[in-house]
Amino acid sequence: AQKVTQAQTEISVVEKEDVTLDCVYETRDTTYYLFWYKQPPSGELVFLIRRNSFDEQNEISGRYSWNFQKSTSSFNFTITASQVVDSAVYFCALSEASRRSSYKLIFGSGTRLLVRP
Amino acid sequence: GAVVSQHPSWVICKSGTSVKIECRSLDFQATTMFWYRQFPKQSLMLMATSNEGSKATYEQGVEKDKFLINHASLTLSTLTVTSAHPEDSSFYICSARESWTTDTQYFGPGTRLTVL
Repeated sequence: AQKVTQAQTEISVVEKEDVTLDCVYETRDTTYYLFWYKQPPSGELVFLIRRNSFDEQNEISGRYSWNFQKSTSSFNFTITASQVVDSAVYFCALSEASRRSSYKLIFGSGTRLLVRP
Repeated sequence: GAVVSQHPSWVICKSGTSVKIECRSLDFQATTMFWYRQFPKQSLMLMATSNEGSKATYEQGVEKDKFLINHASLTLSTLTVTSAHPEDSSFYICSARESWTTDTQYFGPGTRLTVL
């Protein structure tokens, strides 16, 4: 069965600190997608990144970076030099890449990040 | 990125009434839309998958007669909560799958339903 685990329920850091949000997934499929979404207090989920299972290259986008390691089934997210505006709940999600599954997203429980000034 | 809208953003209704929530993909066609429910400080729970022109597929434990889903076009899906009760109060979020390029789900801003 598919499963996404975000073991960190809440993280609190001081502005400008680096912070890493962990995500571990389980799937029997060889083809799948991994996602990170941000949910600020307003409630809307903001898409951050999508990674397919065949692409293990790490990605950097500004202060955000992602580390995908199939050997440990992890897809961790690092925010460098955190800012107060980064405060939000972050969700990691997994999707099978097949019509059979209708491309459903399996979400982790989320990590609430609080960045203090 | 692709934009998904939801209407209304919030609604308060009396117990026993029905409420319709609209989900629209504004700049892309979505063959598949999804409806989620989120309780405070919890993750998103998938309620149903909606495919354009066909019946929705409901997740286990979700009452299809209570949560009516219609996906009449490639840009619009609606969720109707029939005979709403206070326990139906929640945050309802839709997403639309952009299938031609990135195959990514983009989410609407959500609808907060409060049933008195």
